Amino acid sequence: ILNVEQSPQSLHVQEGDSTNFTCSFPSSNFYALHWYRWETAKSPEALFVMTLNGDEKKKGRISATLNTKEGYSYLYIKGSQPEDSATYLCAFEPGTALIFGKGTTLSVSS
Amino acid sequence: DAGVIQSPRHEVTEMGQEVTLRCKPISGHDYLFWYRQTMMRGLELLIYFNNNVPIDDSGMPEDRFSAKMPNASFSTLKIQPSEPRDSAVYFCASSSGQGADGYTFGSGTRLTVV
Repeated sequence: ILNVEQSPQSLHVQEGDSTNFTCSFPSSNFYALHWYRWETAKSPEALFVMTLNGDEKKKGRISATLNTKEGYSYLYIKGSQPEDSATYLCAFEPGTALIFGKGTTLSVSS
Repeated sequence: DAGVIQSPRHEVTEMGQEVTLRCKPISGHDYLFWYRQTMMRGLELLIYFNNNVPIDDSGMPEDRFSAKMPNASFSTLKIQPSEPRDSAVYFCASSSGQGADGYTFGSGTRLTVV
């Protein structure tokens, strides 16, 4: 059974804090690693798709890194804002459909 | 493009009734996925199609669940008979290919079986 683990499960920070989350995935049969942002009452939206070991991607204040050899990815948010409050999902793609972690729920207080 | 369109948004039905969920993927996307979201298990893959052909249905819970994709612009997920434990949010997503730009999700159908 392929397992994708995310930590922490939830996180509460103050506006302006920087934060990061971890995603662990199987290091075999790797094709791609995805990150999604999921706001309450909406549907998940793709943030990044990473395929190469050592990949780093950035979108505004959010960035992600990838280590396929050891099976982990980090998502960083610099200077958190209340609008960053959401659940962040990572998903492992072994060449078939995505296998999702349970997400990290971020709450940012102003 | 209007994105992935799911209907209905909410469905409340009685145990034993048949339920049909509908999905229209993004035009040109060759892959369509059905996921179920529950608090306990997160997003679980039920089944996915490539060019209208079911590729992996190993996530379908049991024979009460069935899915079809009669053409490139329409898919259904049917539960017959429905049970209270089927209550969840069901998402449809589509993609243009593996490892591409990610999946585009529909708004989901919140199913409540009483």
